[in-house]
Amino acid sequence: GEDVEQSLFLSVREGDSSVINCTYTDSSSTYLYWYKQEPGAGLQLLTYIFSNMDMKQDQRLTVLLNKKDKHLSLRIADTQTGDSAIYFCAETLYSSASKIIFGSGTRLSIRP
Amino acid sequence: ETGVTQTPRHLVMGMTNKKSLKCEQHLGHNAMYWYKQSAKKPLELMFVYSLEERVENNSVPSRFSPECPNSSHLFLHLHTLQPEDSALYLCASSQADVGAAGELFFGEGSRLTVL
Repeated sequence: GEDVEQSLFLSVREGDSSVINCTYTDSSSTYLYWYKQEPGAGLQLLTYIFSNMDMKQDQRLTVLLNKKDKHLSLRIADTQTGDSAIYFCAETLYSSASKIIFGSGTRLSIRP
Repeated sequence: ETGVTQTPRHLVMGMTNKKSLKCEQHLGHNAMYWYKQSAKKPLELMFVYSLEERVENNSVPSRFSPECPNSSHLFLHLHTLQPEDSALYLCASSQADVGAAGELFFGEGSRLTVL
């Protein structure tokens, strides 16, 4: 079946690292994505990883993929107030190239 | 500004009304999508149009009716909705065959409240 699961909330202190986790069920996923939704806005692609990779780093963002456990994580180093948003994990299924499946989103809040 | 514009941004309607949501993209994409965003639920894919043909229809009730007159415009016609249809409706566009690490570009959404 097609299912992407995330915890709904995460609170971190400014300057600490944030780690947002996601699990997915379809082993034929080809690409896995992280999208960010700021208040009052639509979703924007933050980063993505191809399923044959274990890790991808982009400035403060690190994506880790454990294909065996079907677990994806997004680490944000030195979290800032501007990182407050909802973060959506998503997968593309091999069987349907036009279809991206999203999770429910994790709301990241930053405390001083 | 993502290049995808949705109108109206907010809509309140009664259960017997007929209304439409509009989406326009200025990115030259050839695939367009409607998603429903409800609190604490996964983002729900409703419809996909690729090259102006509907390629996905995820068991959406018939009170939602999509229309894609050309590759730049997408409508969602609403008729006799229920209060549980209240949600944020997001339009997105992409190049077709988004599975090749394609990116979805989203509009800001239309917040629908059904009374």
